Amino acid sequence: DAGVIQSPRHEVTEMGQEVTLRCKPISGHNSLFWYRQTMMRGLELLIYFNNNVPIDDSGMPEDRFSAKMPNASFSTLKIQPSEPRDSAVYFCASSFFGGGISTGELFFGEGSRLTVL
Amino acid sequence: RKEVEQDPGPFNVPEGATVAFNCTYSNSASQSFFWYRQDCRKEPKLLMSVYSSGNEDGRFTAQLNRASQYISLLIRDSKLSDSATYLCVVNKENTGFQKLVFGTGTRLLVSP
Repeated sequence: DAGVIQSPRHEVTEMGQEVTLRCKPISGHNSLFWYRQTMMRGLELLIYFNNNVPIDDSGMPEDRFSAKMPNASFSTLKIQPSEPRDSAVYFCASSFFGGGISTGELFFGEGSRLTVL
Repeated sequence: RKEVEQDPGPFNVPEGATVAFNCTYSNSASQSFFWYRQDCRKEPKLLMSVYSSGNEDGRFTAQLNRASQYISLLIRDSKLSDSATYLCVVNKENTGFQKLVFGTGTRLLVSP
């Protein structure tokens, strides 16, 4: 079975450019998460969706960041304009949440490594 | 104060050693707790959940102390393949939604 698929795996861009990261969650999962990982701050939750609806976006750093989930099989995280401090690994993860029970198991993609020069 | 705090390490141990990691969390309303493992330049993966009564999975034992807001992971008979970063994770959302907050991780290096 396919896991969470992210693209691109690596992106190098210049400050001011728009960056779009993509994620395809595991089929049947109804929750999707975007995390950012840096050496200094570890894994930070940016936003999570349940049934394609954003539940909590309090982790989104600022207005330059936006995320969408137009359907159950696709999500994007966009940074516009990008800045050097956005350099990080961005992970997408999915899970199934139902019946008010959380298993705590998130399935992560391999990540998108972003470098902003 | 960080929501989830861990000693970053690294912990350098020989094969066969027993090693323990600790983690503290700040939100007393947190409902569920986990340990994840992350290999170098890879994605995190669930290692085990942490139950109030303590639980064991092979060489791994996890314990929770709600009164002290403290979680631990014990690894017995360390293997070279245990070398990784271990992430303490807390579900801070008491409505059941999976708002998982990750610690920055403790790095373990097991040497021959």
